[in-house]
Amino acid sequence: AQSVTQLDSHVSVSEGTPVLLRCNYSSSYSPSLFWYVQHPNKGLQLLLKYTSAATLVKGINGFEAEFKKSETSFHLTKPSAHMSDAAEYFCVVPLQGGSQGNLIFGKGTKLSVKP
Amino acid sequence: EPEVTQTPSHQVTQMGQEVILRCVPISNHLYFYWYRQILGQKVEFLVSFYNNEISEKSEIFDDQFSVERPDGSNFTLKIRSTKLEDSAMYFCASSKRSSTSGGETQYFGPGTRLLVL
Repeated sequence: AQSVTQLDSHVSVSEGTPVLLRCNYSSSYSPSLFWYVQHPNKGLQLLLKYTSAATLVKGINGFEAEFKKSETSFHLTKPSAHMSDAAEYFCVVPLQGGSQGNLIFGKGTKLSVKP
Repeated sequence: EPEVTQTPSHQVTQMGQEVILRCVPISNHLYFYWYRQILGQKVEFLVSFYNNEISEKSEIFDDQFSVERPDGSNFTLKIRSTKLEDSAMYFCASSKRSSTSGGETQYFGPGTRLLVL
């Protein structure tokens, strides 16, 4: 069965420093993978998605993620954090065989950005 | 840019009462979903809906829950007799096409925070 594990519940960085949010997936095949972000009092917004085209995926707001099959990872990175990046980030995989593709969420990583 | 909207943003109810959570999906989307997130836990799938019927539902979606598309724009989740453990954030989502292949993006609303007392 598919699953995703977000290794850190909380990450704190200083503004202007790199961001790394870790996600490992478990799947018997090469899945699609998503990163969603949730700002306070806002909906879940798609940051980027991997669908077996390029392994390095660029998303909105300068974020990118690299699909590494050998490591079963899909870590989210950004070279330089901005205060507006403070939010909760979710790594997501669709359920294999789900007729309408229900999504399986990781527990989320809360990103804090210090000035 | 089109968005999924949800009302109300917050709802407080007494145990045993019925609640209806409302969602307006993106207008040209055909597939609709409900998810929930209990405080401190993962976002969990509840149900998907297409062509006026449930496509798939999770174990959480028992007889106390129902969904409906009463008109061309709204998509509702009804909880018939709320329990304390129904307290959660409920998210509605929609997609243009089926997510069967796994690559179709689901667009989420801001959520309704339900508190059952």
